[in-house]
Amino acid sequence: GAVVSQHPSRVICKSGTSVKIECRSLDFQATTMFWYRQFPKQSLMLMATSNEGSKATYEQGVEKDKFLINHASLTLSTLTVTSAHPEDSSFYICSATKGGTQYFGPGTRLLVL
Amino acid sequence: QQQVKQSPQSLIVQKGGISIINCAYENTAFDYFPWYQQFPGKGPALLIAIRPDVSEKKEGRFTISFNKSAKQFSLHIMDSQPGDSATYFCAAAPDSWGKLQFGAGTQVVVTP
Repeated sequence: GAVVSQHPSRVICKSGTSVKIECRSLDFQATTMFWYRQFPKQSLMLMATSNEGSKATYEQGVEKDKFLINHASLTLSTLTVTSAHPEDSSFYICSATKGGTQYFGPGTRLLVL
Repeated sequence: QQQVKQSPQSLIVQKGGISIINCAYENTAFDYFPWYQQFPGKGPALLIAIRPDVSEKKEGRFTISFNKSAKQFSLHIMDSQPGDSATYFCAAAPDSWGKLQFGAGTQVVVTP
């Protein structure tokens, strides 16, 4: 099956700093990738749709200036959490679609102190 | 609001038993219904998916039943094994390339 990777797998940062999370499709090209956030014991909530070569589409309630998304190539999308605060601590998961199936990355655990 | 409602929240089943998880949706534009399995600290992995043109789909020990008129679908895990202990999410989308709406999740524990 298709493989989607994320880097880093976990990150701890101080409040006020910015953190970049990478999502890569390893064996296929993805014009569209999705970014989700998952709090403990909760479901996945879609944050935004990342489109290669164009602006990301954000879900209602997600601050686009806080969660910057860049889909610079057909295999890489990045999510930058700017000026992170403790309430941004969460599990961030990306996905990419190949052949009509959405494959998820392993997730990135963000802890903001 | 949750576009896909999932129940139960948690489930304990003995090894060899059947785990049943139910989901319901309202949006008739949904045309693709996948189930995902997630282990702690990992991303979700696709188990099985169905479209409304069939009422049942089986892959190994996993079966999806789909009732279009009731707008409900369910996952049955036959001969449940301790390795099946995980959180299961149903989801729905207008098509397999579109944005997924997830259910709240069901934590399944299979006891030896």
